Amino acid sequence: QQQVKQSPQSLIVQKGGISIINCAYENTAFDYFPWYQQFPGKGPALLIAIRPDVSEKKEGRFTISFNKSAKQFSLHIMDSQPGDSATYFCAASISGGYNKLIFGAGTRLAVHP
Amino acid sequence: NAGVMQNPRHLVRRRGQEARLRCSPMKGHSHVYWYRQLPEEGLKFMVYLQKENIIDESGMPKERFSAEFPKEGPSILRIQQVVRGDSAAYFCASSPPGQPETQYFGPGTRLLVL
Repeated sequence: QQQVKQSPQSLIVQKGGISIINCAYENTAFDYFPWYQQFPGKGPALLIAIRPDVSEKKEGRFTISFNKSAKQFSLHIMDSQPGDSATYFCAASISGGYNKLIFGAGTRLAVHP
Repeated sequence: NAGVMQNPRHLVRRRGQEARLRCSPMKGHSHVYWYRQLPEEGLKFMVYLQKENIIDESGMPKERFSAEFPKEGPSILRIQQVVRGDSAAYFCASSPPGQPETQYFGPGTRLLVL
């Protein structure tokens, strides 16, 4: 119940295309869903996050879509660029005094020029 | 404002030795999380600490691992008698007061056990 399942494991997209990464969860107590971007040799960096009271959140080229009934959420990267090539992790947590993040296994994105 | 700092960035130990990983949170942050990332896997929560207190250590192995966050100085993750399976990247993150969901990650310490 504490798992977050992420797919695909790897993704190749042409420059200018749309990258879509999906995550699913079981624990309905989760109420915070962030996406992190990680470049090789670096720590994860918060990209965008959503709470279950909205179905979509957009920041620049990055959009999170959230389906509460299906317990799924996804990251869409519009107009993908080679600089977006990185590993992306979805995560989930239960808000409280602290947030223990439960991470998906990651998606390695490669954007080809 | 400097980000979360971790040192060393790379650490090589032989089986049976001790590993000490240090984490200095961002200025003004008094909450620290430690996560472990095995090769080709996502990050796994290990422990959450506030100054001088361990709040949640549910992700810590029962033996050989310990963590502290003293009143002064960095947070320390200590692994005694390391084994090859401890080889991983260890990340710490800190969050500002009142914003527990906003976690800023350090660059990590990559531990290799020979």
